[in-house]
Amino acid sequence: GAGVSQTPSNKVTEKGKYVELRCDPISGHTALYWYRQSLGQGPEFLIYFQGTGAADDSGLPNDRFFAVRPEGSVSTLKIQRTERGDSAMYLCASSLTGQGIGELFFGEGSRLTVL
Amino acid sequence: GQQVMQIPQYQHVQEGEDFTTYCNSSTTLSNIQWYKQRPGGHPVFLIQLVKSGEVKKQKRLTFQFGEAKKNSSLHITATQTTDVGTYFCAGPGAQKLVFGQGTRLTINP
Repeated sequence: GAGVSQTPSNKVTEKGKYVELRCDPISGHTALYWYRQSLGQGPEFLIYFQGTGAADDSGLPNDRFFAVRPEGSVSTLKIQRTERGDSAMYLCASSLTGQGIGELFFGEGSRLTVL
Repeated sequence: GQQVMQIPQYQHVQEGEDFTTYCNSSTTLSNIQWYKQRPGGHPVFLIQLVKSGEVKKQKRLTFQFGEAKKNSSLHITATQTTDVGTYFCAGPGAQKLVFGQGTRLTINP
């Protein structure tokens, strides 16, 4: 597609449930980032993929969070046993070069609400 | 780890007034990027600065990178209602881009 696509755009779930958020980056972009943004805050880094591998997952808050990018394109962020504090906008971004250099193209985000 | 601080957190101006947001890093940066996020939208890239002391202009927007490459600023001349949004600076940290907390600009028409 022309831009970064994220689905679902909105997800409401109950505490304790499992959630998957999907990101389809711009074709040809090898770098893919997941960020989390709470209201009034800047994007908070979660994980960075270069190709299929997670080059930096230091931002994942705990082991309930996991992300994959098996074929180096689409990525899925997985959250187990969701908690109310996980409620936020989850942003995916892709880039041609990666490593914090070069423009990041963001998707519209997936807003997660945990009741 | 890498930290990027922005001030002010909020700024409200009358349409036509100027606006400036400042960004400071705890470490020297190889480059700095600026993004704009409209209300309800996602961050959109504005510019990347690489050289020490670099100044770049985009119409009414002027971006500066400090001589020591640890600070940056964004100045908007004669704001318009279309400038409303949150402006973020971001610097590379290890293998990722670290964002500041942003400056939210509101404008009284």
